[in-house]
Amino acid sequence: SQTIHQWPATLVQPVGSPLSLECTVEGTSNPNLYWYRQAAGRGLQLLFYSVGIGQISSEVPQNLSASRPQDRQFILSSKKLLLSDSGFYLCAWKEQGAGGNTIYFGEGSWLTVV
Amino acid sequence: AQSVTQLDSHVSVSEGTPVLLRCNYSSSYSPSLFWYVQHPNKGLQLLLKYTSAATLVKGINGFEAEFKKSETSFHLTKPSAHMSDAAEYFCVVSDRGGGYQKVTFGTGTKLQVIP
Repeated sequence: SQTIHQWPATLVQPVGSPLSLECTVEGTSNPNLYWYRQAAGRGLQLLFYSVGIGQISSEVPQNLSASRPQDRQFILSSKKLLLSDSGFYLCAWKEQGAGGNTIYFGEGSWLTVV
Repeated sequence: AQSVTQLDSHVSVSEGTPVLLRCNYSSSYSPSLFWYVQHPNKGLQLLLKYTSAATLVKGINGFEAEFKKSETSFHLTKPSAHMSDAAEYFCVVSDRGGGYQKVTFGTGTKLQVIP
């Protein structure tokens, strides 16, 4: 069966510090991978998606970046965090192709920038 | 164009009474529709999905939803609310418009269950 792991679960970072959130998927090959952010009182916002190794698409301009160094690994990064980066970050995966409609989510990472 | 509207940001029901969470969608193609649930400080869990088979879809925890094309709706219902149903619920539309899979989330409905 497929599983998705995301870490760390919570972190508190000072403004201007770097960020690295990691996500790995097991039990599937060549998945679509996604990073979402859920800010307090708001819905889910798609930040990045990837259809393959090294292929990253950004949905919104921001000071975050994403990388996919391996097929089932997706990393969300920042060189200098802003207060507005606080929120709940979710990694997700989906099968490629017409049959892969369902998105499966990790447990999420709570980021508080202070 | 693809969009999702969750008509209520908050819904409050008494334990044991029916739940109705409303969702309307817009899609230029044959869409797939989903409901996800998010409990506090947790990730999203799939409740149910419609992918062009039966229009009445049954999901986990006693939830079900009916796809009504004429009304462009996919409302989520449950006959009797439990305290454990208190969470935030997201309606999602997905289609392959333009040759790629596009997914849009609604803004969520927070369900409060009162004992």
